Amino acid sequence: GAVVSQHPSWVICKSGTSVKIECRSLDFQATTMFWYRQFPKQSLMLMATSNEGSKATYEQGVEKDKFLINHASLTLSTLTVTSAHPEDSSFYICSARGGWVRGTNEQFFGPGTRLTVL
Amino acid sequence: DAKTTQPTSMDCAEGRAANLPCNHSTISGNEYVYWYRQIHSQGPQYIIHGLKNNETNEMASLIITEDRKSSTLILPHATLRDTAVYYCIVRASSNTGKLIFGQGTTLQVKP
Repeated sequence: GAVVSQHPSWVICKSGTSVKIECRSLDFQATTMFWYRQFPKQSLMLMATSNEGSKATYEQGVEKDKFLINHASLTLSTLTVTSAHPEDSSFYICSARGGWVRGTNEQFFGPGTRLTVL
Repeated sequence: DAKTTQPTSMDCAEGRAANLPCNHSTISGNEYVYWYRQIHSQGPQYIIHGLKNNETNEMASLIITEDRKSSTLILPHATLRDTAVYYCIVRASSNTGKLIFGQGTTLQVKP
Protein backbone atom coordinates (compact mmCIF):
# COMPACT_ATOMS: atom_id res chain seq x y z
CA GLY A 1 0.00 0.00 0.00
CA ALA A 2 0.84 3.71 0.12
CA VAL A 3 1.72 4.03 -3.55
CA VAL A 4 1.94 7.41 -5.22
CA SER A 5 2.34 7.69 -8.97
CA GLN A 6 3.25 10.57 -11.23
CA HIS A 7 2.63 11.08 -14.91
CA PRO A 8 4.52 11.66 -17.04
CA SER A 9 7.85 10.44 -15.71
CA TRP A 10 9.64 12.81 -18.05
CA VAL A 11 8.61 15.51 -20.48
CA ILE A 12 10.39 17.77 -22.94
CA CYS A 13 8.63 20.90 -24.13
CA LYS A 14 9.31 24.10 -26.01
CA SER A 15 9.73 27.40 -24.23
CA GLY A 16 6.42 29.19 -23.79
CA THR A 17 4.23 26.12 -23.62
CA SER A 18 2.40 24.79 -20.58
CA VAL A 19 2.97 21.38 -19.04
CA LYS A 20 0.66 19.46 -16.72
CA ILE A 21 1.98 16.88 -14.26
CA GLU A 22 -0.37 14.47 -12.51
CA CYS A 23 0.06 12.99 -9.04
CA ARG A 24 -2.15 10.13 -7.93
CA SER A 25 -2.47 8.21 -4.68
CA LEU A 26 -3.27 4.70 -5.88
CA ASP A 27 -4.39 2.90 -2.76
CA PHE A 28 -5.32 5.56 -0.25
CA GLN A 29 -7.16 8.84 -0.10
CA ALA A 30 -4.83 11.80 0.13
CA THR A 31 -6.32 14.69 2.03
CA THR A 32 -3.10 16.64 1.59
CA MET A 33 -0.66 16.66 -1.30
CA PHE A 34 2.66 18.44 -1.56
CA TRP A 35 4.69 19.53 -4.57
CA TYR A 36 8.48 19.78 -4.47
CA ARG A 37 11.09 20.85 -6.99
CA GLN A 38 14.66 19.61 -7.09
CA PHE A 39 17.50 21.04 -9.15
CA PRO A 40 20.58 18.94 -9.92
CA LYS A 41 22.77 18.22 -6.89
CA GLN A 42 20.39 20.12 -4.63
CA SER A 43 17.86 19.12 -2.03
CA LEU A 44 14.10 19.10 -2.45
CA MET A 45 12.39 22.45 -2.15
CA LEU A 46 8.76 22.56 -1.08
CA MET A 47 6.70 24.56 -3.55
CA ALA A 48 3.17 24.25 -2.25
CA THR A 49 0.72 22.33 -0.10
CA SER A 50 -2.75 21.49 -1.30
CA ASN A 51 -5.74 20.15 0.55
CA GLU A 52 -8.54 18.46 -1.34
CA GLY A 53 -11.16 20.96 -2.37
CA SER A 54 -9.16 23.98 -1.23
CA LYS A 55 -6.77 26.40 -2.83
CA ALA A 56 -3.12 25.51 -2.57
CA THR A 57 -0.82 27.26 -0.12
CA TYR A 58 2.38 28.34 -1.81
CA GLU A 59 5.78 28.71 -0.16
CA GLN A 60 7.43 32.08 -0.20
CA GLY A 61 8.97 32.91 -3.54
CA VAL A 62 6.88 30.44 -5.55
CA GLU A 63 4.69 32.12 -8.17
CA LYS A 64 1.16 30.82 -7.85
CA ASP A 65 0.18 32.09 -11.29
CA LYS A 66 3.04 30.20 -12.89
CA PHE A 67 2.64 26.93 -10.99
CA LEU A 68 -1.06 26.12 -10.96
CA ILE A 69 -2.09 23.41 -8.55
CA ASN A 70 -5.43 21.64 -8.56
CA HIS A 71 -6.45 19.05 -5.95
CA ALA A 72 -9.97 18.29 -7.05
CA SER A 73 -10.24 14.78 -5.66
CA LEU A 74 -8.82 12.70 -2.84
CA THR A 75 -6.62 10.75 -5.23
CA LEU A 76 -5.46 13.30 -7.78
CA SER A 77 -3.51 16.53 -7.76
CA THR A 78 -2.11 18.30 -10.79
CA LEU A 79 0.68 20.80 -11.22
CA THR A 80 0.64 22.92 -14.36
CA VAL A 81 3.77 24.84 -15.24
CA THR A 82 2.47 27.71 -17.36
CA SER A 83 4.55 29.40 -20.05
CA ALA A 84 7.52 27.23 -19.21
CA HIS A 85 11.04 28.55 -19.69
CA PRO A 86 14.41 26.79 -19.57
CA GLU A 87 14.93 27.85 -15.95
CA ASP A 88 11.85 25.82 -15.03
CA SER A 89 13.66 22.66 -16.08
CA SER A 90 13.81 20.56 -12.94
CA PHE A 91 12.74 17.35 -11.20
CA TYR A 92 9.21 17.78 -9.84
CA ILE A 93 8.15 15.45 -7.04
CA CYS A 94 4.78 15.13 -5.37
CA SER A 95 3.91 13.53 -2.08
CA ALA A 96 0.63 12.58 -0.48
CA ARG A 97 -0.63 12.18 3.02
CA GLY A 98 -4.02 11.05 4.22
CA GLY A 99 -5.36 9.36 7.29
CA TRP A 100 -3.49 6.36 8.59
CA VAL A 101 -1.83 4.16 6.03
CA ARG A 102 0.34 1.21 7.08
CA GLY A 103 0.00 2.38 10.66
CA THR A 104 1.35 5.85 9.96
CA ASN A 105 0.04 9.13 8.62
CA GLU A 106 3.29 9.95 6.87
CA GLN A 107 3.92 11.43 3.49
CA PHE A 108 4.55 9.06 0.63
CA PHE A 109 6.40 10.32 -2.38
CA GLY A 110 5.90 9.81 -6.07
CA PRO A 111 8.75 8.81 -8.39
CA GLY A 112 9.16 12.33 -9.77
CA THR A 113 8.78 13.97 -13.18
CA ARG A 114 11.78 15.26 -15.07
CA LEU A 115 10.86 18.43 -16.99
CA THR A 116 13.18 19.78 -19.67
CA VAL A 117 12.26 23.05 -21.35
CA LEU A 118 14.07 23.79 -24.59
CA ASP B 1 10.24 23.47 12.40
CA ALA B 2 13.66 22.87 13.97
CA LYS B 3 16.74 22.78 11.78
CA THR B 4 18.90 19.69 11.50
CA THR B 5 22.61 19.25 10.88
CA GLN B 6 24.03 16.21 9.13
CA PRO B 7 27.47 15.32 7.76
CA THR B 8 27.68 15.92 4.05
CA SER B 9 28.88 12.44 3.18
CA MET B 10 29.82 9.09 4.68
CA ASP B 11 31.21 5.80 3.45
CA CYS B 12 30.32 2.35 4.70
CA ALA B 13 31.56 -1.11 3.82
CA GLU B 14 29.00 -3.50 2.43
CA GLY B 15 27.63 -5.79 5.14
CA ARG B 16 28.62 -3.48 7.95
CA ALA B 17 26.33 -1.26 9.97
CA ALA B 18 25.88 2.28 8.73
CA ASN B 19 25.39 4.84 11.49
CA LEU B 20 24.13 8.20 10.28
CA PRO B 21 24.11 11.02 12.84
CA CYS B 22 21.82 14.02 13.00
CA ASN B 23 21.84 17.02 15.30
CA HIS B 24 18.60 18.81 16.10
CA SER B 25 19.47 20.83 19.18
CA THR B 26 16.50 23.22 18.84
CA ILE B 27 13.86 20.51 18.63
CA SER B 28 10.71 21.27 20.58
CA GLY B 29 8.51 18.94 22.57
CA ASN B 30 5.91 18.21 19.91
CA GLU B 31 8.36 17.63 17.06
CA TYR B 32 9.17 14.22 15.67
CA VAL B 33 12.40 13.12 14.03
CA TYR B 34 11.88 11.65 10.54
CA TRP B 35 14.29 9.91 8.23
CA TYR B 36 13.85 9.64 4.48
CA ARG B 37 16.25 8.59 1.80
CA GLN B 38 16.49 9.38 -1.88
CA ILE B 39 18.15 7.09 -4.34
CA HIS B 40 19.43 8.87 -7.42
CA SER B 41 16.66 10.27 -9.65
CA GLN B 42 13.86 8.77 -7.57
CA GLY B 43 11.36 10.18 -5.10
CA PRO B 44 12.23 10.08 -1.40
CA GLN B 45 11.43 6.93 0.54
CA TYR B 46 10.18 6.98 4.12
CA ILE B 47 12.43 5.05 6.50
CA ILE B 48 11.43 5.63 10.09
CA HIS B 49 10.37 8.25 12.59
CA GLY B 50 10.28 8.71 16.35
CA LEU B 51 9.48 11.13 19.15
CA LYS B 52 11.68 10.15 22.10
CA ASN B 53 11.86 6.38 22.29
CA ASN B 54 14.14 4.32 20.12
CA GLU B 55 12.36 2.80 17.14
CA THR B 56 13.05 -0.17 14.92
CA ASN B 57 11.42 -1.44 11.77
CA GLU B 58 12.34 -3.72 8.90
CA MET B 59 14.56 -1.09 7.33
CA ALA B 60 16.42 0.56 10.16
CA SER B 61 16.72 1.56 13.80
CA LEU B 62 16.43 5.07 15.15
CA ILE B 63 18.25 5.99 18.33
CA ILE B 64 17.25 9.30 19.92
CA THR B 65 19.28 10.73 22.79
CA GLU B 66 17.56 11.34 26.08
CA ASP B 67 17.67 15.12 25.65
CA ARG B 68 16.36 14.64 22.06
CA LYS B 69 19.01 16.97 20.68
CA SER B 70 20.48 14.36 18.40
CA SER B 71 19.69 11.04 16.83
CA THR B 72 21.32 8.24 14.84
CA LEU B 73 19.86 6.20 12.03
CA ILE B 74 21.29 2.69 11.90
CA LEU B 75 21.19 0.45 8.85
CA PRO B 76 22.30 -2.82 10.42
CA HIS B 77 23.73 -4.54 7.35
CA ALA B 78 24.30 -2.04 4.58
CA THR B 79 24.08 -3.22 0.98
CA LEU B 80 25.08 -1.50 -2.23
CA ARG B 81 21.41 -0.65 -2.78
CA ASP B 82 21.47 1.47 0.36
CA THR B 83 23.66 4.03 -1.40
CA ALA B 84 21.52 7.18 -1.30
CA VAL B 85 21.08 10.61 0.22
CA TYR B 86 19.64 10.31 3.72
CA TYR B 87 17.58 13.15 5.11
CA CYS B 88 16.93 13.78 8.79
CA ILE B 89 13.91 16.05 9.22
CA VAL B 90 12.18 17.43 12.28
CA ARG B 91 8.48 18.02 11.91
CA ALA B 92 5.64 19.01 14.16
CA SER B 93 3.11 16.35 14.92
CA SER B 94 0.14 18.32 13.61
CA ASN B 95 -1.51 17.35 10.36
CA THR B 96 -0.36 20.63 8.89
CA GLY B 97 3.30 19.87 9.57
CA LYS B 98 5.46 20.07 6.47
CA LEU B 99 8.58 18.09 5.57
CA ILE B 100 11.33 20.58 4.90
CA PHE B 101 14.42 18.91 3.46
CA GLY B 102 17.97 19.96 4.30
CA GLN B 103 21.03 18.87 2.38
CA GLY B 104 21.16 15.37 3.86
CA THR B 105 24.03 12.88 4.07
CA THR B 106 25.23 11.10 0.98
CA LEU B 107 25.93 7.53 2.04
CA GLN B 108 28.18 5.54 -0.25
CA VAL B 109 28.20 1.81 0.45
CA LYS B 110 31.34 0.24 -0.94
CA PRO B 111 31.99 -3.41 -1.77
